[in-house]
Amino acid sequence: DAKTTQPPSMDCAEGRAANLPCNHSTISGNEYVYWYRQIHSQGPQYIIHGLKNNETNEMASLIITEDRKSSTLILPHATLRDTAVYYCIVRVSRGYQKVTFGIGTKLQVIP
Amino acid sequence: GAVVSQHPSWVICKSGTSVKIECRSLDFQATTMFWYRQFPKQSLMLMATSNEGSKATYEQGVEKDKFLINHASLTLSTLTVTSAHPEDSSFYICSAPGLGAAYEQYFGPGTRLTVT
Repeated sequence: DAKTTQPPSMDCAEGRAANLPCNHSTISGNEYVYWYRQIHSQGPQYIIHGLKNNETNEMASLIITEDRKSSTLILPHATLRDTAVYYCIVRVSRGYQKVTFGIGTKLQVIP
Repeated sequence: GAVVSQHPSWVICKSGTSVKIECRSLDFQATTMFWYRQFPKQSLMLMATSNEGSKATYEQGVEKDKFLINHASLTLSTLTVTSAHPEDSSFYICSAPGLGAAYEQYFGPGTRLTVT
């Protein structure tokens, strides 16, 4: 799996958009970008994934650059409940493919 | 989305005893499940890949005789920590790939193990 680089921590004001960057410059053509988050003392939660097109769901938007070497997860209106560690993971899409976690970005939403 | 449950959510056991943790996929079948361990303020560390009907695949450095994994059905994988010691105290999390084309992972809520 390609290696990813994320800032260790970020702050965001409540109600504002949170933009979490991820660098994956060694991504291969068949690798997807996945985002998960882990709220304190809970299991990680799947957020969104994409291959090369931008994606949006009820939780977030994922913007992938044209060269696919980086991406940004956008939480459009951050709430206090979005405070969590966010993990950007790049891997091929196979069910038996293990998922390796980096250190992620600790997002603190500030009132 | 798919739902994965774990039982128990927390457990306290004495040193030297064994503890079994269950991971269930509630509304889908999973031929593969994954077990992670997480120490305080650290990221998740993959311990092993659980395969239905066959032996688990352990990550380097994980003792397979200490962490017994059984994936007896398409909806249940169990992790047994044998002869537990205080250093085994950790947060144990399982996951299973969903049914979408991208096989995104769905995680259980975790099991907090404390060995006294």
